[in-house]
Amino acid sequence: DGGITQSPKYLFRKEGQNVTLSCEQNLNHDAMYWYRQDPGQGLRLIYYSQIVNDFQKGDIAEGYSVSREKKESFPLTVTSAQKNPTAFYLCASSIGEAAEYNEQFFGPGTRLTVL
Amino acid sequence: GDSVTQMEGPVTLSEEAFLTINCTYTATGYPSLFWYVQYPGEGLQLLLKATKADDKGSNKGFEATYRKETTSFHLEKGSVQVSDSAVYFCALSYYTGANSKLTFGKGITLSVRP
Repeated sequence: DGGITQSPKYLFRKEGQNVTLSCEQNLNHDAMYWYRQDPGQGLRLIYYSQIVNDFQKGDIAEGYSVSREKKESFPLTVTSAQKNPTAFYLCASSIGEAAEYNEQFFGPGTRLTVL
Repeated sequence: GDSVTQMEGPVTLSEEAFLTINCTYTATGYPSLFWYVQYPGEGLQLLLKATKADDKGSNKGFEATYRKETTSFHLEKGSVQVSDSAVYFCALSYYTGANSKLTFGKGITLSVRP
């Protein structure tokens, strides 16, 4: 089955620690995205990557970092500089520029709680 | 910049009631429009889409029509079920280059009671 996997589903960390969230896709999609979801605020874009070895900041990139060394993987690191990291994090992918429209496919999400 | 506005929620309906969730957008070009659904504890799933004016997207009994003249993409269903309880997001996107990211509305929670 093709799809997007995120691990772990729940993650707990102490304040001041960096933490890396995993996102893997086997859809052969060029583009990948990270969103943050908070109650009542919808989804906000953190980072996105159109191709391997390239990525751009989204609307709320401060305190986060990413890498895109492989087409199928787009890990997100939540650093200690992120002031309010507790949230639900969603990873998504899409075909990319070759698509007629930009349908994004989402993973199941990781709920991060910083204690 | 581009934006999506959804009606305020939450919405609570009885089973078999008619559903309308309003969505309007502001865009500089001609975007594609989407409705995504999020069931409790899960990621988002694409519910339906429309890529040009007057297109109607439909899926699982839900429908939405791309209205360029009113910049709207309202979601409707004739008879909701308890299993439709979820959060619904309206979104827009262009399909080229740096503008290919999705812009989401804030989402609205629908609860359907038996």
